Amino acid sequence: DAGVIQSPRHEVTEMGQEVTLRCKPISGHNSLFWYRQTMMRGLELLIYFNNNVPIDDSGMPEDRFSAKMPNASFSTLKIQPSEPRDSAVYFCASSAGQGRNQPQHFGDGTRLSIL
Amino acid sequence: SQQGEEDPQALSIQEGENATMNCSYKTSINNLQWYRQNSGRGLVHLILIRSNEREKHSGRLRVTLDTSKKSSSLLITASRAADTASYFCATDYNTDKLIFGTGTRLQVFP
Repeated sequence: DAGVIQSPRHEVTEMGQEVTLRCKPISGHNSLFWYRQTMMRGLELLIYFNNNVPIDDSGMPEDRFSAKMPNASFSTLKIQPSEPRDSAVYFCASSAGQGRNQPQHFGDGTRLSIL
Repeated sequence: SQQGEEDPQALSIQEGENATMNCSYKTSINNLQWYRQNSGRGLVHLILIRSNEREKHSGRLRVTLDTSKKSSSLLITASRAADTASYFCATDYNTDKLIFGTGTRLQVFP
């Protein structure tokens, strides 16, 4: 069975550029989560969707970050303009149902470096 | 921050020994989950324990939950070099989202 698929695996770009991260959740999963992981702050939830609808975006750091889920099999996280402090590993995860009482399945992440 | 704390931050043991990691959290929960993360990979779900459960087993893994102390522990018995990874607890705080702890880095030497 295919797990959560993220692309690209690595992204290096210069500050000010637009960055788009992509995620394909596990088929049949209703909830999708975007996380950011850094040494300093650990694993932080940025936003999560249920049935393609954003439910909680309180973790999105600022207006430069936006996320969309146009259909059940695809989501994007966009940073525009990017800054060096956005450098981190970004994970997408999906789970069945509304997410409560369900394990989350993670992709292998996108390692983002902003120069 | 509601982020849980894990203890110890790092643990080094020999193959065959048991490894115990602890997690403390801050307010009431519906469930607590444990995850493993190998270097350069995403997190992998290990066990989910509900607030009305006290102990759960999965293979060489044993998880306990003490809601009165707001703490949980993960025991890995007869550890193997392949168990080398970071281990995270995550709590739901009665919501649909998880708050992850700071993690324990486990090193198992052959």
